[in-house]
Amino acid sequence: QVQLVQSGAVVKKPGASVKVSCKAFGYTFSSHFIHWVRQAPGQGLEWMGIITPTTGSANYAQRFKGRITMTSDTSTNTLYMHLNGLTSADTAVYYCARDANTAGYVDLWGPGTLVTVSS
Amino acid sequence: SYELTQPPSVSVSPGETASISCSGDKLEDKYVCWYQQRPGQSPVLVMYQNKRRPSGIPERFSGSNSGTTATLAISGTQEMDEADYYCQVWDSSAFVVFGGGTKLTVL
Repeated sequence: QVQLVQSGAVVKKPGASVKVSCKAFGYTFSSHFIHWVRQAPGQGLEWMGIITPTTGSANYAQRFKGRITMTSDTSTNTLYMHLNGLTSADTAVYYCARDANTAGYVDLWGPGTLVTVSS
Repeated sequence: SYELTQPPSVSVSPGETASISCSGDKLEDKYVCWYQQRPGQSPVLVMYQNKRRPSGIPERFSGSNSGTTATLAISGTQEMDEADYYCQVWDSSAFVVFGGGTKLTVL
């Protein structure tokens, strides 16, 4: 079955970092870019960046540059999103999402990972 | 940076046509897609490349893009269509840009 499976919900303290994983199943891992998108409680969708799974090359939204890193492990078909310097404003559901054949839109979303930042 | 503007909310009676707009500078020069997000669920693609419906999306969903405004229309709106809807484009400088989202209420 074609799906993206994400790691479970986590609680982090302010100043800490978080690493969210996203494992791809049922399709050719190398054929699709992966986006990371987050959604704060009651808010809209916010694009964070995109990664090419085969090369690990990533482009990040300007507002996250310097504290975000996206990586890829082709041996396990798993993507990772690492965000450091967490504040309460980073409390959100984090989605990994498959790009539709370099078309710039998403045709498959993961279930989301809730990251709560609280002291 | 590029911006997309959506109305925060749209209301429609069951069976009527709902229209959700998405505005941006020279938007007609870009491909617009739309996502539906029901409460507590991940978004679902309902329209891509302005007017193409993914497999499994009902024919009552249609899309258009002209000038500075793209529109997602839902004809014969049903209660199950009540959700948040987001437009999105790919911009050469900002990569992916989402609109702020529109809450569609069917009442």
